[in-house]
Amino acid sequence: ILNVEQSPQSLHVQEGDSTNFTCSFPSSNFYALHWYRWETAKSPEALFVMTLNGDEKKKGRISATLNTKEGYSYLYIKGSQPEDSATYLCASFSGGYNKLIFGAGTRLAVHP
Amino acid sequence: EAQVTQNPRYLITVTGKKLTVTCSQNMNHEYMSWYRQDPGLGLRQIYYSMNVEVTDKGDVPEGYKVSRKEKRNFPLILESPSPNQTSLYFCASGPTGAGEQYFGPGTRLTVT
Repeated sequence: ILNVEQSPQSLHVQEGDSTNFTCSFPSSNFYALHWYRWETAKSPEALFVMTLNGDEKKKGRISATLNTKEGYSYLYIKGSQPEDSATYLCASFSGGYNKLIFGAGTRLAVHP
Repeated sequence: EAQVTQNPRYLITVTGKKLTVTCSQNMNHEYMSWYRQDPGLGLRQIYYSMNVEVTDKGDVPEGYKVSRKEKRNFPLILESPSPNQTSLYFCASGPTGAGEQYFGPGTRLTVT
């Protein structure tokens, strides 16, 4: 079983702080790295799907980077707002396995 | 509206009573999968399907069955539910396994 690790497990920040999380994944046979945002009582929603080493993607105040050679991705949130409070999941898809393996998530709480 | 639907949303049942959770998508996606979510463990894949009549085990398939007779439907069957299958279940679909996944609203199952 491939392991996808996320850190930290949880994070509390003040409104306006910038923050970042880490996702590490097996670099062998890498095909795609996903980030999802999961609000309480809702379903996970995709933020980014990245495939190329060095890829950077941005959606509003949220951005992500990808290093496939060393097997890690960072998710950044600039100027956190209370509505950013959610669990952020990353998932890795490796060629040959046809499975999307999820990490346990980083739970972010943004306090006013 | 593009969506993944699951039914029922909530279910309380007793040990050994067969049940089926339905999943349907209207996006003509080839890839569909089932996940269970348990506290501290993130999303774990139960089964996935790459196309009609093509299904394969995920990481936690024991006690579950699936079928993919039509492209849009991917039901999850628990032949003899047990209390350790109490969990939150998500169905998801995507154009491929590596592509963005769209999640259903979730089914909260309690087996007593």
